[in-house]
Amino acid sequence: KNQVEQSPQSLIILEGKNCTLQCNYTVSPFSNLRWYKQDTGRGPVSLTIMTFSENTKSNGRYTATLDADTKQSSLHITASQLSDSASYICVVVDRGSTLGRLYFGRGTQLTVWP
Amino acid sequence: EADIYQTPRYLVIGTGKKITLECSQTMGHDKMYWYQQDPGMELHLIHYSYGVNSTEKGDLSSESTVSRIRTEHFPLTLESARPSHTSQYLCASSGLLNSGDSYNEQFFGPGTRLTVL
Repeated sequence: KNQVEQSPQSLIILEGKNCTLQCNYTVSPFSNLRWYKQDTGRGPVSLTIMTFSENTKSNGRYTATLDADTKQSSLHITASQLSDSASYICVVVDRGSTLGRLYFGRGTQLTVWP
Repeated sequence: EADIYQTPRYLVIGTGKKITLECSQTMGHDKMYWYQQDPGMELHLIHYSYGVNSTEKGDLSSESTVSRIRTEHFPLTLESARPSHTSQYLCASSGLLNSGDSYNEQFFGPGTRLTVL
């Protein structure tokens, strides 16, 4: 069964600190993996997209890693800011369908305190 | 910033009412999607469309219906709302079928928070 599991479910950190969010998946065949940021009451916004051959991709203070062999990804946030408080969703795309089927994790709820 | 819009943003209605959630995009995308999301849970695909006059049901069974008469619009309708329909509804669209967009990246609207009393 194609699944995406994220950990931790929630995380509280102090402003300025770093953190790492985890994503494990069983989706096959694999096309690409995405990290989205979803603010409360808003739609998800893409942070990074990684294909099979990419190990690391950065977007400002966000750095995503991908190990396609172990089917694991992480999202590292550096020097956190209050505006980083949001849900971070790992999404894996299935290569086997014309639609490009998306499998969503439940997200990690990050809270950054001053 | 993606140009995809949803209205209303919030809706509180009574049981049995008919409602239509609007979604429109100005990017010329062929594919459009509706997702349902409950608090703390993953997004579930309920409807999608490859283009005009094309609609398909998603993975999560839904009593809602959709239509795609124009490329830019993809409204979702509930004929008789019930409390079990209370949820957040997210609309998304993705690149042109032959655009070379190998990622088929989906852009999401802000969502409609529906509460049925």
